[in-house]
Amino acid sequence: SQQGEEDPQALSIQEGENATMNCSYKTSINNLQWYRQNSGRGLVHLILIRSNEREKHSGRLRVTLDTSKKSSSLLITASRAADTASYFCATALDTGRRALTFGSGTRLQVQP
Amino acid sequence: DTAVSQTPKYLVTQMGNDKSIKCEQNLGHDTMYWYKQDSKKFLKIMFSYNNKELIINETVPNRFSPKSPDKAHLNLHINSLELGDSAVYFCASSQGLGVGTYEQYFGPGTRLTVT
Repeated sequence: SQQGEEDPQALSIQEGENATMNCSYKTSINNLQWYRQNSGRGLVHLILIRSNEREKHSGRLRVTLDTSKKSSSLLITASRAADTASYFCATALDTGRRALTFGSGTRLQVQP
Repeated sequence: DTAVSQTPKYLVTQMGNDKSIKCEQNLGHDTMYWYKQDSKKFLKIMFSYNNKELIINETVPNRFSPKSPDKAHLNLHINSLELGDSAVYFCASSQGLGVGTYEQYFGPGTRLTVT
């Protein structure tokens, strides 16, 4: 099974609503990143949260990290149709492995 | 200006052929990567290079060979293409090797279809 698994796999909401996506991982990490992928495009970095941080904000994005539960959440407030995309969490393990491990993503659809 | 560019964007070819995908970054980054994204959107690291030196070589068949002529370029050559190679291949770069310390910048992807 994957190191990072997002939940739900798909989410459909109305414009203006909040969207929450969760990521669970299995092994200890140094930090965790969230990326967005619009259809047919490459991934775009959204936010990085370190293992000693609990919460981080960037504009309408709020990320939390609970290392005891090995989970993170991404909250998008006041969603817009342009937020429609797939969202991925990526973990940097503390094993020295020099690669990010990506989850399978949450597909978010924001209805106008 | 495009930060990370890949060519071609689409590649349709027959089984057994050899093909290359080119990647260039103009960000001055030291580290570059190749990822494969399968039909279920799962993204997996294939290779990473730092200053033209191979750092990561995941369990990728020998038919895949990366080449980094300079630190701004990382090309991917694939020999004897197979149906299972069909996927979207992404190039990415980051400022340094500190995984997780640096955000990664992704190219637009190359959709490879092997028939």
